[in-house]
Amino acid sequence: SQKIEQNSEALNIQEGKTATLTCNYTNYSPAYLQWYRQDPGRGPVFLLLIRENEKEKRKERLKVTFDTTLKQSLFHITASQPADSATYLCAGNTGGFKTIFGAGTRLFVKA
Amino acid sequence: GAVVSQHPSRVICKSGTSVKIECRSLDFQATTMFWYRQFPKKSLMLMATSNEGSKATYEQGVEKDKFLINHASLTLSTLTVTSAHPEDSSFYICSASEGNPTSTEAFFGQGTRLTVV
Repeated sequence: SQKIEQNSEALNIQEGKTATLTCNYTNYSPAYLQWYRQDPGRGPVFLLLIRENEKEKRKERLKVTFDTTLKQSLFHITASQPADSATYLCAGNTGGFKTIFGAGTRLFVKA
Repeated sequence: GAVVSQHPSRVICKSGTSVKIECRSLDFQATTMFWYRQFPKKSLMLMATSNEGSKATYEQGVEKDKFLINHASLTLSTLTVTSAHPEDSSFYICSASEGNPTSTEAFFGQGTRLTVV
């Protein structure tokens, strides 16, 4: 079955460091990958979208890569801050209406 | 960005009663809205796609008679959990897109925490 997989273990990093989150997809060829931030008890908030023909996308301290060979997307937060602590969701879409979400990776940034 | 408002944010109801959740796009028209269910530490599971003026499209395994969806206008979709039971307790989230939902960002509501006692 089509899957979007993210590391279920929480990621703990020190403030100022770069956080790197991984998203792998199997049995699936998404045309787009999206990254969302979700805080506890809240709906997801869109961060970045990257298309399959784009290798990298940046937005302020955020960077996303899309490697169709490895079937993987990496999400980087540079100069991380405690306020970046949240769950980050990876989502894929093949071009239809259905979006498949990963379970998310919890990030904790320590001051 | 565009705003999607979901109401209520929390609801507690007795087993056997029905609960209605509203999802509104405040500053744009949404031909299509999506309803998701999320369990703790799990991914969002698409329940149904809500189409304005027509019947919703339900995902496999989702009971149509249990989860009634109405999309009466371009800015409002409602999800009614009928005859709720404790196993229906979950976090329900709606989303909408301004244009083509495949290539643009989706805007999510705040979510509704439903607890059935």
